[in-house]
Amino acid sequence: QLQLQESGPGLVKPSETLSLTCTVSGGSISSSSYYWGWIRQPPGKGLEWIGSIYYSGSTFYNPSLKSRVAISVDTSKNQFSLKLSSVTAADTALYYCAREGMTAVVTPSGGMDVWGQGTTVTVSS
Amino acid sequence: QSVLTQPPSASGTPGQRVTISCSGSSSNIGINYLYWYQQLSGTAPKLLIYKNNQRPSGVPDRFSGSKSGTSASLAISGLRSEDEADYYCAAWDDSLSQDVFGTGTKVTVL
Repeated sequence: QLQLQESGPGLVKPSETLSLTCTVSGGSISSSSYYWGWIRQPPGKGLEWIGSIYYSGSTFYNPSLKSRVAISVDTSKNQFSLKLSSVTAADTALYYCAREGMTAVVTPSGGMDVWGQGTTVTVSS
Repeated sequence: QSVLTQPPSASGTPGQRVTISCSGSSSNIGINYLYWYQQLSGTAPKLLIYKNNQRPSGVPDRFSGSKSGTSASLAISGLRSEDEADYYCAAWDDSLSQDVFGTGTKVTVL
């Protein structure tokens, strides 16, 4: 059974870089049928897609975050990671990683069938 | 701001049918598959409906999805107390080149 687990610091200072890792177990991140995505949810608010990566390293990012976001993959460790730079209090959120299907034209689909439990990141000095 | 619009709330009594709408545009719902998620309090979202109207294994057939043009709907029939949750729609947007989520709908069982 595929499982995803987020890990990383729960507290990040303003202007610094948020770094999270998602470890995939029970299956291979190198599957040709899926993207691997990051989604966040600010306290009391809705879901926001951050970006997704294919095992080859191909990425798609939310345009509103693109200048600050980098998602990478390490197939040898079955992990993918998120880096968000120059964080502010507005980046305080519950961060999820998820497995995502793809469209017929090989973009992410919006359909995430396996989710991690989420990890809370607070931006504060 | 979210590209997909949902009503902020919906409610019903046990056994009733509740419908949630998701309104988008020709670059997302109009051309791509639509997905629905259920988020129970304090838990990660769960895929409820995929590719407009398909249910993953384990999802009760009380949940059904439909799509017409640039709008979609999630229907919950035979409402139960355990259906009280937040519900989100999502799709890929070809123009924005990004996943877009709906604004979310809180379903309350009265």
